[in-house]
Amino acid sequence: QVQLQESGPGLVKPSETLSLTCAVSGDSVYSADYYWGWIRQPPGKGLEWIGYIYYSGSTSYNSSLKSRVTMSVDKSKNQFSLNLSSVTAADTAVYFCARVVVGRGYYHMDVWGKGTTVTVSS
Amino acid sequence: DIQMTQSPSSLSASVGDRVTITCRASQTISSYLNWYQQKPGRAPKLLIYAASTLQSGVSSRFSGSGSGTDFTLTISSLQPEDLATYYCQQSYSTPQSFGQGTKVEIK
Repeated sequence: QVQLQESGPGLVKPSETLSLTCAVSGDSVYSADYYWGWIRQPPGKGLEWIGYIYYSGSTSYNSSLKSRVTMSVDKSKNQFSLNLSSVTAADTAVYFCARVVVGRGYYHMDVWGKGTTVTVSS
Repeated sequence: DIQMTQSPSSLSASVGDRVTITCRASQTISSYLNWYQQKPGRAPKLLIYAASTLQSGVSSRFSGSGSGTDFTLTISSLQPEDLATYYCQQSYSTPQSFGQGTKVEIK
């Protein structure tokens, strides 16, 4: 059974970099069958797609965040990561990681982590 | 960017009712449409992908239809455990945007 678990600081200061990791069990981040994605949800609001990464390092980011987002994959630790720089209070949210299936060209997120809350505050 | 608009924003229905949620894309997205269910305090769960394909393990009470710009999620007989917010998401182009959500309550 595939499981994803987010981890990282729950509190980040404004202008600093938010760094989160998603540990994968039951599957390999180096599988050619999947992408690995990040999604966030501000308090009381809807879901926002952040982006995804392929095992090769190929990425796709939300253009609204593109200049601040970096994703990476760590094969040795079987995890992938999200860095979001120059954070403000607007980046306060629950951050989810997810496995992205691409079947017949249809992308969909079939396994999700439980989410981790990140608050941006001094 | 493609905008996704869901209606209604919320609804209240009785157990056993047939419930329909609509999602409209700002441009054609073929069948690149997913539906997710998010229960309070939980991560989203995939229900439907490619507009009408039921995810493995999901109750057959849920069904999806549509193509182009207009899509529908139907719950054939509402159950108490269906209390949740439902989101559509387009995967036609990046950013793979979500609708604003439809909150389903039980009368």
